[in-house]
Formats: sequence, C-alpha cells, structure tokens
Amino acid sequence: QKEVEQDPGPLSVPEGAIVSLNCTYSNSAFQYFMWYRQYSRKGPELLMYTYSSGNKEDGRFTAQVDKSSKYISLFIRDSQPSDSATYLCAMSPLTGANNLFFGTGTRLTVIP
Amino acid sequence: GAVVSQHPSRVICKSGTSVKIECRSLDFQATTMFWYRQFPKQSLMLMATSNEGSKATYEQGVEKDKFLINHASLTLSTLTVTSAHPEDSSFYICSARRGVNQPQHFGDGTRLSIL
Repeated sequence: QKEVEQDPGPLSVPEGAIVSLNCTYSNSAFQYFMWYRQYSRKGPELLMYTYSSGNKEDGRFTAQVDKSSKYISLFIRDSQPSDSATYLCAMSPLTGANNLFFGTGTRLTVIP
Repeated sequence: GAVVSQHPSRVICKSGTSVKIECRSLDFQATTMFWYRQFPKQSLMLMATSNEGSKATYEQGVEKDKFLINHASLTLSTLTVTSAHPEDSSFYICSARRGVNQPQHFGDGTRLSIL
C-alpha cells in the first residue's frame, strides 16, 4: 500500500464548477500537508500549506485536513480554464528529514 | 515570494556527455535543497537531499557517482549527470526550503534528452 493515495483522474468539469480533489494517507506521523499545482512541462507550484487538522482558505482555494480520517481535500470554487493542470498532494512528518510524500497527482481539465 | 530558478530548462546532448543543472533560490536562503526526477504522467521521485556545506544524502538506488550534487552556498545547488546515457533522459526538478518544517518551493525543471 502506498503511503499517499490520490485518484489520478482525469477529471473534467465545466467552467464555474466546484472541484473537489482528495488524498488519503496511512502514516499518522504526517503533520504538514500541501497542495501543489503542476502545469505541463513545469515544476510544481505551491498552492496551500497547512499544519495539522482544520481548514485554510486562499481566494478560490480551500484546503481541508481531517487527521482522524487521514483524509485531505482541496476545493476550487468557480473553476477556470486556467486551473487545468495536475494537482499533487504532499505531506511530511513533524520530525526527521521532512521529506515530502507525494500523491500521484490528479489531472484536471476545466472546459470553457 | 519564494522563487526558485532552475537552468537550463532543456538539454539535448550526445551519450557520454556530462550535464550540469543549476538550482538557485532567488529571494530566500535555502538551508536544504532537493533533487527529483519525474517520469511522464508520474509523480516526483526524490533522488537526493542537499544541505549547504555538507555531502548530499542519496535515496536508495540512486548512484551518487552518477549524479553529483554540490550545494556550495545557501542559494545554489548543482546536479551533474556524469557520462549521461539515454536511460538518464528524464525531467529533473529541484526544490528549496527555508528551514525545517517549511514548504518546499520548486524550480521549473530541466528536460534532459540524451541521444
């Protein structure tokens, strides 16, 4: 079993829709949770960074962490064609090398 | 902001050539830099972790003599692929972070093609 599971999609939604992206994980030591957006042939861009459980909102993006269920989500409101990209969840433990454990990424297409 | 610049963005060269890739943190000092490799439609695979002034830590299965890493300053790390062969063709991405428990910020990657 992978430490981080993420549905690779692809996911296609019409412009303006609310998008829900999710990851599950098995390691209860994970404390830091991140969402990255990666456009084709580019490096990942940090979207959201949260510590422990709870919600965090930044513009059209909301990140949720439920540590009891080992489940994290990223919501995108009023999705735009420019949101079309691959979204990677990543997480790391509190101590040690803080290496990131990535999901496989979900490919999202927002159709105009 | 936290900008990481990676250069070059694209390299095409003959088998046997050594290729150097630079990773710079432009607006912050990076205590740690990371080097990843990404295959098409797959997630990032960590190759090595680099701390300024010390030897890099390589992940299992990554040849340290093949992939030379130098982290000479708090803003620059280099990855040299020595005597590259076609199987080394891939997308190489670096990242940098300010400190422990800080998020990693990524460069835009280097697409390496070995003929």
